Amino acid sequence: KQEVTQIPAALSVPEGENLVLNCSFTDSAIYNLQWFRQDPGKGLTSLLLIQSSQREQTSGRLNASLDKSSGRSTLYIAASQPGDSATYLCAVITDKLIFGTGTRLQVFP
Amino acid sequence: NAGVMQNPRHLVRRRGQEARLRCSPMKGHSHVYWYRQLPEEGLKFMVYLQKENIIDESGMPKERFSAEFPKEGPSILRIQQVVRGDSAAYFCASSPGGSSGNTIYFGEGSWLTVV
Repeated sequence: KQEVTQIPAALSVPEGENLVLNCSFTDSAIYNLQWFRQDPGKGLTSLLLIQSSQREQTSGRLNASLDKSSGRSTLYIAASQPGDSATYLCAVITDKLIFGTGTRLQVFP
Repeated sequence: NAGVMQNPRHLVRRRGQEARLRCSPMKGHSHVYWYRQLPEEGLKFMVYLQKENIIDESGMPKERFSAEFPKEGPSILRIQQVVRGDSAAYFCASSPGGSSGNTIYFGEGSWLTVV
């Protein structure tokens, strides 16, 4: 059974710091991995999709990497801003998405 | 191109009533997924549907819950005889094909409160 874990569960940092959020999964037989952002009381916003043949994807200040063999993905956020405050979720994709428990990020001015 | 549309956004039901949650996928998307997020918990898969077919319902509770995605109209998640433990956010997602190569887009969710 696939299990997805995210570390840390919560993170509070001052504005401007570079951050690394971690996601690990137990079964490497995945198609893709997707990172999402969720604001309180809101739905999910897709940030990055990494296909299994890729090792990383970049969008603006965000960079996500994928190492299937070790069952790990990281989301790197450069020069964090207060607007980045949200819960970040990773999901491994087989025939459906299996979510991690999320990292709650707070960036203070 | 509108995103995934869910309604109602908020729904209050008394114990024993029925709740119907609707999801209109993005235009051109024929695959729909339903997820449930309990308070302070992660998103849990419930059911995966294509038009007129249930592909995977392994996450659906065995009783009181049902889902459909008819040829015409939105996907419906139906909860009969609701109990307080059904209070949660229910998210719908859609994709143009299967999940293997496609980005999956989520709606804003439907928040069910059972009183």
